[in-house]
Amino acid sequence: GQNIDQPTEMTATEGAIVQINCTYQTSGFNGLFWYQQHAGEAPTFLSYNVLDGLEEKGRFSSFLSRSKGYSYLLLKELQMKDSASYLCAVSNQGGKLIFGQGTELSVKP
Amino acid sequence: SAVISQKPSRDICQRGTSLTIQCQVDSQVTMMFWYRQQPGQSLTLIATANQGSEATYESGFVIDKFPISRPNLTFSTLTVSNMSPEDSSIYLCSVSPGWAMNTEAFFGQGTRLTVV
Repeated sequence: GQNIDQPTEMTATEGAIVQINCTYQTSGFNGLFWYQQHAGEAPTFLSYNVLDGLEEKGRFSSFLSRSKGYSYLLLKELQMKDSASYLCAVSNQGGKLIFGQGTELSVKP
Repeated sequence: SAVISQKPSRDICQRGTSLTIQCQVDSQVTMMFWYRQQPGQSLTLIATANQGSEATYESGFVIDKFPISRPNLTFSTLTVSNMSPEDSSIYLCSVSPGWAMNTEAFFGQGTRLTVV
């Protein structure tokens, strides 16, 4: 079966660092994506990992361990505008994405 | 990156009627997908829109309820048929570049559907 797990919600403080974890079990694996979604808007792409290791892009980094079926998204220097839902998604075959339930991040002052 | 225009952006429909959602891309793409996002939920893939052939549906979704067209490499439609309040969701079109299936998927702005 296909299963992608991430925490339902997290709270962090402005200026801090937060790590959102994602574990997955899928029938195939062609890469793992992280998306950000603000309420009422479409998801926007944050990162893509297909090889093990850390990908850094500004304040956002994403890590992948294929052997462990594990990824995390790291957000540094949190800003209020980072309050959003963060979606972990696995591409298994043919470009299709299987999404986790999303993590609702609240950034407090 | 691909620019995706999806319309309508929102609609309120009577139960029993049908709504067709359009997705236009500014460049030719091999893969086009339709997702549904129910209130408070994450995205669920409805089907893959195949150019020149029938769409490929995921478990739990059928062609009679969600007919899809893909007449060319830049355009697709999704129809939500015989609507009920349970169909109230956001419907999203997504594309992946034709040259590499494993790069980022781009999303349209979504269609927020309310069935009354």
